[in-house]
Amino acid sequence: AQSVTQLDSHVSVSEGTPVLLRCNYSSSYSPSLFWYVQHPNKGLQLLLKYTSAATLVKGINGFEAEFKKSETSFHLTKPSAHMSDAAEYFCVVSEDAGGTSYGKLTFGQGTILTVHP
Amino acid sequence: DAGVTQSPTHLIKTRGQQVTLRCSPISGHKSVSWYQQVLGQGPQFIFQYYEKEERGRGNFPDRFSARQFPNYSSELNVNALLLGDSALYLCASSIVRSANYGYTFGSGTRLTVV
Repeated sequence: AQSVTQLDSHVSVSEGTPVLLRCNYSSSYSPSLFWYVQHPNKGLQLLLKYTSAATLVKGINGFEAEFKKSETSFHLTKPSAHMSDAAEYFCVVSEDAGGTSYGKLTFGQGTILTVHP
Repeated sequence: DAGVTQSPTHLIKTRGQQVTLRCSPISGHKSVSWYQQVLGQGPQFIFQYYEKEERGRGNFPDRFSARQFPNYSSELNVNALLLGDSALYLCASSIVRSANYGYTFGSGTRLTVV
C-alpha cells in the first residue's frame, strides 16, 4: 500500500528566501510522485512529477524536487519565495503495481506555505 | 481549450437528501476520477471511471455512486446525505487510465450539508 507523509503542516518564509517543503513516501512498487498546489478556493494545479526518469525534477514557477529512493523522500524546493507562492501544497504518490493501476492518487495532508513581505 | 469543468460550484443540501455533481473532462480525456477533500485534509480517492466503466473505488460507503456517459462526462451521486459529507468534491481527468502521469483537476464543487 502507498502512503505519503508531509513533515510540516505549516511553513513560513520571507519573500526572497528559499522554500523547503518536506515529503516522505511509502510504496511497495516503483512509485510516481507529484507535487500539486492549491490556492484558496481553487482546484489543484500540477507543479511537477517524477516518473522514473531524472531524479531531479523541474516544475513550473521555479520549483523543483529531488527523488531520493534511499531516503524515500521527495522534497520540494524553490530558491527564492514570491508572495504569489502562498498556498497549500500536496505531495502525491501513485503506484504502478506490476503494470496495472486503478487510477488512484494518494495525497499527503498538505503543507500551508505562508510568505511574509 | 476548456479545462475540467464542474457544476455546480456551490451547493447546500439538508441531511437525508440526495445530490448529483457533474464533471466534463478535457476534450479527448477518457478517464474521470472523483476525490473528496474535507476541510484541512488532503483529497481522498472516491472513484475512477475509464471508457465508461468503473475501474477503481476508494473506501467510501455505497451511498456514493457514479457513472460515465458516452461523451466521457461523469456524474457523482450521493444519497442520504450526512453532515460529514460536507466537503469540496474534485473531478480529475486524463487521457489514459493510469494515474502515473498525473491528472488535471477541476475547481471543484463545494457541498455543504446542514
